[in-house]
Order: sequence, then structure tokens, then C-alpha cells
Amino acid sequence: SQKIEQNSEALNIQEGKTATLTCNYTNYSPAYLQWYRQDPGRGPVFLLLIRENEKEKRKERLKVTFDTTLKQSLFHITASQPADSATYLCALPAYSSASKIIFGSGTRLSIRP
Amino acid sequence: AAGVIQSPRHLIKEKRETATLKCYPIPRHDTVYWYQQGPGQDPQFLISFYEKMQSDKGSIPDRFSAQQFSDYHSELNMSSLELGDSALYFCASSSMNTEAFFGQGTRLTVV
Repeated sequence: SQKIEQNSEALNIQEGKTATLTCNYTNYSPAYLQWYRQDPGRGPVFLLLIRENEKEKRKERLKVTFDTTLKQSLFHITASQPADSATYLCALPAYSSASKIIFGSGTRLSIRP
Repeated sequence: AAGVIQSPRHLIKEKRETATLKCYPIPRHDTVYWYQQGPGQDPQFLISFYEKMQSDKGSIPDRFSAQQFSDYHSELNMSSLELGDSALYFCASSSMNTEAFFGQGTRLTVV
């Protein structure tokens, strides 16, 4: 069955450094992959979508890569700030239906000043 | 810009009662999703609608049902509530299977 795996442990890094989060998926070749940010008690907020024919996508301090051979996406935040502290979720459309988005378990990122 | 609106924001119900959650998607979005998120867990897909027709179903209990109306708003009905149903319930909408925009959620507490 379709499976999405993210770093289960929290990631703690120093302000100003680059944070790198990993998303691995199995048994599936999605047409696209998405990254969301979620703060406690709030709904996920869409950050970036990358399609299978794109290797890399950038938005301000964010960069996402998509390696369809490794079945992996990396999410980078450069020049990290304490305000970037949140849980980051990787999401894919289900192989059975495009009207179903499956989320990974998320990685909690903490940026210390 | 208009976002996804959910109501109520908070709801407290007793066991075995019924709850109705409402969602107003972003105008012209063709797909509505419902998710349940327990404490410390990732959002779990419940059900989705495409152009007002149910399009996919996840691990949604038989006690739950949902529908999308002619004005595109959607309602999630939960009956015979159990303590384990306490969670955040999110509605999201999207257009042409792209990024989903989530509402602020409804926090349901069953006591």
C-alpha cells in the first residue's frame, strides 16, 4: 500500500542555518508532491507543489527537490528563523484517486535563536 | 482573498450525541476534503467531494456521513459520538487537483 515517511524525530537547528527535511514514499509514482506547514491547533498551510517532471522548485527561502528515482523529496529552509518553527507535512495525491491527499506524519522543526 | 470557512470553531458534545460541522470552500474550487487530526497525529483523510459528488472515502466510521450542497458548502455529520471522536476536524478545498487550502478547523470535544 502507499506509504509516506518523514523524519519522525524533531529537528532542532540554530538560527541562520539551513534546515533540511526528508520525505520518502513507496509503492507509488505520484504526479506531484506537496509540502505544508502546520502550527499547533491550526490548519495546514500550503507551501510548495513540485511536479514529477520538475527536479527543483524555489520560493523565497524555501527549496524543494523531487527525485522520482529515489522516491524522495527534500525540503530546505535557508537562513532559518525562529518563526520557521512548526511541523512540516509532506503530502501526495493517493494513487487510487486524485481527490484524496495523503499526508506524512510530519517533522517538527525548532529553530533556536 | 476568501479562505475556507469552518463553523463552529469549537464544539463540546456529550457521548452519544450528534454533531454537525460546516465548511464553506473557496469559491470556484471543485474539490472539498474532510480530515480528522488527533493530538500529535497527522491529518487523516475522511472523505472528499468533487463537484458535489462524493469522490473518495477514507477511514471514516459508519457513524459519520457527509454531503456537499448545491451552493458547494459541505457538512460533516457525526452521530453516536464517542470519546475517541474528540479531535480537530479540518475542511479543505482545491481546484483542479492542485494545492489544498485548509480552514481553521473545528475542535470537537466529546465528554
